[in-house]
Amino acid sequence: DVKVTQSSRYLVKRTGEKVFLECVQDMDHENMFWYRQDPGLGLRLIYFSYDVKMKEKGDIPEGYSVSREKKERFSLILESASTNQTSMYLCASTEGAGGYTFGSGTRLTVV
Amino acid sequence: GENVEQHPSTLSVQEGDSAVIKCTYSDSASNYFPWYKQELGKGPQLIIDIRSNVGEKKDQRIAVTLNKTAKHFSLHITETQPEDSAVYFCAASIVLNNDMRFGAGTRLTVKP
Repeated sequence: DVKVTQSSRYLVKRTGEKVFLECVQDMDHENMFWYRQDPGLGLRLIYFSYDVKMKEKGDIPEGYSVSREKKERFSLILESASTNQTSMYLCASTEGAGGYTFGSGTRLTVV
Repeated sequence: GENVEQHPSTLSVQEGDSAVIKCTYSDSASNYFPWYKQELGKGPQLIIDIRSNVGEKKDQRIAVTLNKTAKHFSLHITETQPEDSAVYFCAASIVLNNDMRFGAGTRLTVKP
């Protein structure tokens, strides 16, 4: 089975901190994604990457950046965490022609 | 861009009854429609999908129907069980475009 592993299940950070969320997939997928999940809003795309060192903005990229130095790893960076970035963050990957495989999520609280 | 609407937002059924969740999409070019199940504390998991060249697909107690003309698709769960309780998301995309859009989710509760 494809596995997408997110390094932290729960994180608590202070306002203004720089936050790194890590995601690793083990099936050599080209495409990786970061979503944010909020009640009533579903999943909103923050950034995606279709190759190493390539990135594309999604629907809500403001306040976030990403890094993909290796094919299996896709990192989401909150440059200066704010309370409105408190959310569940989901990483996903796909070979491109089918559904996505999601990680278990990181619940981030910014205080 | 694509917009996906999902109804209802919550659904409660008795064990053994059927459950139906409906989604509409806006972009007629969309050709791939997956459904995901998210259990508490876990990420969404793909449970069934359908492509635009097919009108219906079934996998045991789960089925999905697609009406391309009306731009809507539905998830049908028969003989529901308590372990079917979860949040279900529909999605629509154009294959290989990396532009999958998700509905807001339906919280299904199956009462024993």
